[in-house]
Amino acid sequence: QSALTQPPSASGSPGQSVTISCTGTSSDVGDNDYVSWYQQHPGKAPKVVIYEVTKRPSGVPDRFSGSKSGNTASLTVSGLQAEDEADYYCSSYTGSKNYVFGTGTKVTVL
Amino acid sequence: DVQLVESGGGLVQSGGSLRLSCAASGFTFSDYWLHWVRQAPGKGLEWVSRIRSDGSVPVYADSVKGRFTISRDNAKNTLYLQMNSLRAEDTAVYFCARDSRFHIDVWGQGTTVTVSS
Repeated sequence: QSALTQPPSASGSPGQSVTISCTGTSSDVGDNDYVSWYQQHPGKAPKVVIYEVTKRPSGVPDRFSGSKSGNTASLTVSGLQAEDEADYYCSSYTGSKNYVFGTGTKVTVL
Repeated sequence: DVQLVESGGGLVQSGGSLRLSCAASGFTFSDYWLHWVRQAPGKGLEWVSRIRSDGSVPVYADSVKGRFTISRDNAKNTLYLQMNSLRAEDTAVYFCARDSRFHIDVWGQGTTVTVSS
């Protein structure tokens, strides 16, 4: 159950786009379409922004989008806004019927 | 409002035990799978355990298997995590969370567990 691999940090200016990768294996990310992404502001509980690779919960801006190719999933935040500055974690259901989170990426809005 | 409220955290010595509770409201508790997820100070999220809606098929992370037990009481709308043989590395904020088709759609605010060595 190794954590999924994410870059430690990413950044962009307001209005720009940032893409975060999430690399797993054929036993997790590559095994199914149950990849989700969570946003966490300091001292707060996480909040889902993408589920089932590409789906957005109601209330999440369409600036957030997800994709997957093979064992790597990605989250793109377009039109960066100050409130997007947060930690982001990917997660995947695994073939062993458990779950794994990514290592986390700190997004900074310059 | 849909809500999950954890309790039971605190300071415990290494080797000790603690039981966390999570009280749910605002939804039909018995319809949902539930998780425990933890976050060590300054670290990332770590999935701990999951239980099905009827209390069957609990699954655990390797790091807690054999030491932690997840359970639920659907009559009391409450989820539990019994933690035994606690170690310093179990120090974390523990979140109770609701599953919706293999992702988490509702999180509690967390309860802090500190294990002193």
